[in-house]
Amino acid sequence: GAVVSQHPSRVICKSGTSVKIECRSLDFQATTMFWYRQFPKQSLMLMATSNEGSKATYEQGVEKDKFLINHASLTLSTLTVTSAHPEDSSFYICSARDPKPINEKLFFGSGTQLSVL
Amino acid sequence: KQEVTQIPAALSVPEGENLVLNCSFTDSAIYNLQWFRQDPGKGLTSLLLIQSSQREQTSGRLNASLDKSSGRSTLYIAASQPGDSATYLCAVNTGNQFYFGTGTSLTVIP
Repeated sequence: GAVVSQHPSRVICKSGTSVKIECRSLDFQATTMFWYRQFPKQSLMLMATSNEGSKATYEQGVEKDKFLINHASLTLSTLTVTSAHPEDSSFYICSARDPKPINEKLFFGSGTQLSVL
Repeated sequence: KQEVTQIPAALSVPEGENLVLNCSFTDSAIYNLQWFRQDPGKGLTSLLLIQSSQREQTSGRLNASLDKSSGRSTLYIAASQPGDSATYLCAVNTGNQFYFGTGTSLTVIP
């Protein structure tokens, strides 16, 4: 089945630093990837939709300058948390849509636990 | 806007029991519905996908049903095992976006 790889799985950083999270679709080309944020015991909150070759579409309330998304190729999207602060600590998950029309499945990365000290 | 609700929020059952998880959505104009499993601190694993034209899908001990007109889907787990303990999420695909339920946290007691 389709595989989405997310890296790193865990990162601890100091306040004020930037952190980059990578999301790769390993065996299919994903024109669309999604970035979510998840707080403990809560569901996924969509942050932005990443489209290959164009600007990401951000959900209301998500700071574009804070959470930079780049989707430069059909297999890679990156999320950069700029000038991270403790309130940015969370679990971040990416997903990619299988483009085959018969499936239209979502496949998820394993997530990144970000802790900002 | 599509709203997806899952009931119950948490469920605890003894090993071997059959159980049903519920997912309801407010707008029946969906493309498909997908059930996922999430273990603590991990990403989501796809379990079953039901297209809008289908009524149910089966995989092993799992059976998912879809009643689009009433806005409901159920995930049936037969002969539950401790390894089934996880959070189960349903997601509705409207074609443009995926909407997630709040999840059901399942604990299967040995």
